Amino acid sequence: SQKIEQNSEALNIQEGKTATLTCNYTNYSPAYLQWYRQDPGRGPVFLLLIRENEKEKRKERLKVTFDTTLKQSLFHITASQPADSATYLCACRSGNTPLVFGKGTRLSVIA
Amino acid sequence: EPEVTQTPSHQVTQMGQEVILRCVPISNHLYFYWYRQILGQKVEFLVSFYNNEISEKSEIFDDQFSVERPDGSNFTLKIRSTKLEDSAMYFCASSDGGSGNTIYFGEGSWLTVV
Repeated sequence: SQKIEQNSEALNIQEGKTATLTCNYTNYSPAYLQWYRQDPGRGPVFLLLIRENEKEKRKERLKVTFDTTLKQSLFHITASQPADSATYLCACRSGNTPLVFGKGTRLSVIA
Repeated sequence: EPEVTQTPSHQVTQMGQEVILRCVPISNHLYFYWYRQILGQKVEFLVSFYNNEISEKSEIFDDQFSVERPDGSNFTLKIRSTKLEDSAMYFCASSDGGSGNTIYFGEGSWLTVV
């Protein structure tokens, strides 16, 4: 069955460093991969979308890569701040199938 | 910025009761979704809705669940006879296109079944 794995449940980093989160997928060929931020008790907030024919996408301090050979996406936050502390969700779509989420990685940026 | 709005934000209901969760999607969006998230677990797809009919549903979305777009702005999720395991945060979402278009989520309705 299709699986999306975010292999770190939690990640702690020092303020100012770059946070790198990993999303792996199996039994799947997503056409699109999206990253969302979720704060406790709130809805997911869209951050970035990357298509299968794109290697990299950037938005301000955020960068996403998509490697269809490794079946992996990396999500980077540069110059991290305590306000970046949240759970980050990876989600995939293929064709018109529903958006399927990973469990998320809880990022804590320590001042 | 336009947003998806959901009501109620929190509802407590007795097991066996019917519940209706309401959503107002972003106004020019054509695709509507319900997702749920049980505490501590991942966000799970329930159903998608387009052109006044269900386009896809998951195995979670059994006969106890139904969706409706009663007018031009609202999109509702009804749970006919709630069970304890229906306790979760229910998210409504919408998008303006099919594949590849961003899906925007509401803040959720937290349902507690007692």
